[in-house]
Amino acid sequence: GAVVSQHPSRVICKSGTSVKIECRSLDFQATTMFWYRQFPKQSLMLMATSNEGSKATYEQGVEKDKFLINHASLTLSTLTVTSAHPEDSSFYICSASTLRQGSQFFGPGTRLTVL
Amino acid sequence: AQSVTQLGSHVSVSEGALVLLRCNYSSSVPPYLFWYVQYPNQGLQLLLKYTSAATLVKGINGFEAEFKKSETSFHLTKPSAHMSDAAEYFCAVSGSARQLTFGSGTQLTVLP
Repeated sequence: GAVVSQHPSRVICKSGTSVKIECRSLDFQATTMFWYRQFPKQSLMLMATSNEGSKATYEQGVEKDKFLINHASLTLSTLTVTSAHPEDSSFYICSASTLRQGSQFFGPGTRLTVL
Repeated sequence: AQSVTQLGSHVSVSEGALVLLRCNYSSSVPPYLFWYVQYPNQGLQLLLKYTSAATLVKGINGFEAEFKKSETSFHLTKPSAHMSDAAEYFCAVSGSARQLTFGSGTQLTVLP
């Protein structure tokens, strides 16, 4: 149980385009989803926290107009990187949790490369 | 506020030897503590978690960790390393908001 999927696993895009990453909880309803960013050889940095049906809460320094997060249902959250630039290239990981479980369950990650 | 310090960004052990990965935390509230493992180009897998029950926590793959409040530590151990244990390990702390704060990670290398 507690499986989280991400799609796509890898994406390459041109500078200036937008990319959408999906995060799904497959066998449970996630009241909260988290989006992280991980640069090579570094730890995970929390970008934002989203609760189903409400606006995401962004961490300091994360541009909310650039990283659009939607959590429209209890099983799906999306992260859209708008007007992507090479410096946005990174590994993006989502996680999902429920009020009852408390623990976060992580997706496999999405490798974004912006040319 | 919470923070995590992982001592040693790289640890190498021989196959069959004891694995010890160090983690110290700081938290203004009673913490929840976690150890995760990450294989290359993959997400994180939960190894074990401490949630104020038993101070010695057993996890998957033979790993365990002991919560020591007096030392603000939550070190991860495994009696005998296996080649498949080679990976990046992250210690994390969570407070009442359930947000995780991660340490910088420790790359474990297992030598044949």
